[in-house]
Amino acid sequence: GAVVSQHPSWVICKSGTSVKIECRSLDFQATTMFWYRQFPKQSLMLMATSNEGSKATYEQGVEKDKFLINHASLTLSTLTVTSAHPEDSSFYICSAPTAGDTNTEAFFGQGTRLTVV
Amino acid sequence: KQEVTQIPAALSVPEGENLVLNCSFTDSAIYNLQWFRQDPGKGLTSLLLIQSSQREQTSGRLNASLDKSSGRSTLYIAASQPGDSATYLCAVSGNQFYFGTGTSLTVIP
Repeated sequence: GAVVSQHPSWVICKSGTSVKIECRSLDFQATTMFWYRQFPKQSLMLMATSNEGSKATYEQGVEKDKFLINHASLTLSTLTVTSAHPEDSSFYICSAPTAGDTNTEAFFGQGTRLTVV
Repeated sequence: KQEVTQIPAALSVPEGENLVLNCSFTDSAIYNLQWFRQDPGKGLTSLLLIQSSQREQTSGRLNASLDKSSGRSTLYIAASQPGDSATYLCAVSGNQFYFGTGTSLTVIP
């Protein structure tokens, strides 16, 4: 299957700092990528849809100024958590459908465990 | 809004047993349904994808069925092994992916 690589797999940062998470499609071009957040023992919640060359679409309740998304190329999307607080600690996962929409199989990155201290 | 429910939330079985995981969804207007496996602290691994026009898909010891009209899918695992222990998530796709809360499976050696 297609490969989506996410980096870093875990990160610890101090409150008030910013953290960037990368999501790369290694063997296909992804015009669309999705960013999810997962709390312990809960399912994945969609945060935003990242679109190559245009602004991301954020789900209701997600602060776009706090969670900055950039999709600068067809193989890379980044999520930057700005001015991180302990409540931002969570598991963040990206995914990319192989044909750019939800009508095709989705592949997921390995996830990033963010801990804000 | 689409809601996806998985039952049971947790399941513990002895090695070798066949088992069934259930997934139900409220809106039958879906593109496809996908089953994933998630190990603790890890990302998601795609197991099976069923297109909305299909009834089932098989991969090795896994068989997934889809009844779109009733909003149900089942994942059948044959001859379970300790290595099958993980959380299993189903997701349906419409304009976005909607995930269930998962079934945590433990296979006891």
